[in-house]
Amino acid sequence: AQTVTQSQPEMSVQEAETVTLSCTYDTSESDYYLFWYKQPPSRQMILVIRQEAYKQQNATENRFSVNFQKAAKSFSLKISDSQLGDAAMYFCAYQSTPDYYQLIWGAGTKLIIKP
Amino acid sequence: GAVVSQHPSRVICKSGTSVKIECRSLDFQATTMFWYRQFPKQSLMLMATSNEGSKATYEQGVEKDKFLINHASLTLSTLTVTSAHPEDSSFYICSARTALLASYEQYFGPGTRLTVT
Repeated sequence: AQTVTQSQPEMSVQEAETVTLSCTYDTSESDYYLFWYKQPPSRQMILVIRQEAYKQQNATENRFSVNFQKAAKSFSLKISDSQLGDAAMYFCAYQSTPDYYQLIWGAGTKLIIKP
Repeated sequence: GAVVSQHPSRVICKSGTSVKIECRSLDFQATTMFWYRQFPKQSLMLMATSNEGSKATYEQGVEKDKFLINHASLTLSTLTVTSAHPEDSSFYICSARTALLASYEQYFGPGTRLTVT
């Protein structure tokens, strides 16, 4: 069975600085999707970024980028120029293929932004 | 974009009563809907998956007679917590996916906070 591990329960960063959130996963499959979701205090889940395993290029979305290391089964999220609005819980999630749609969730990392 | 709503956003009920939570896809047809439960400061726990017109598939350990899920149409799924007890108090989140949009993505509702007194 697939598992997702987020080893950082909490991270803090100074506003405007860069922070990296870690995520590792375990799978025997070769085709899958990886996601980072943000859950702000409102509790609404927001998709931050996704990565298809078959793509070697790391995904980027504005200030958010990932470092996808398939062989190491690592999927970290880098947030550049951190803003107060980035404060939230961040969850890493795995999905084996588009047809097997269940998401496997990590435990989450609470990100604190220091003004 | 794809929008999912949940109603109510907050509900308080007395122990022993039943409460229904609605999940609607507002601008797309949701072929599959998911129900999650989230305890404070924890991750999402999948309770069940429902396909339109079919019986829901419950995760191990989830009481199907207690958490009744109905997915009667392509835009509506309901979760009914029957004979609620204080331990059922939690945050419930639904999500939906559709074969008509990007197949990998789930769209999440804003959640419902249930408090059982």
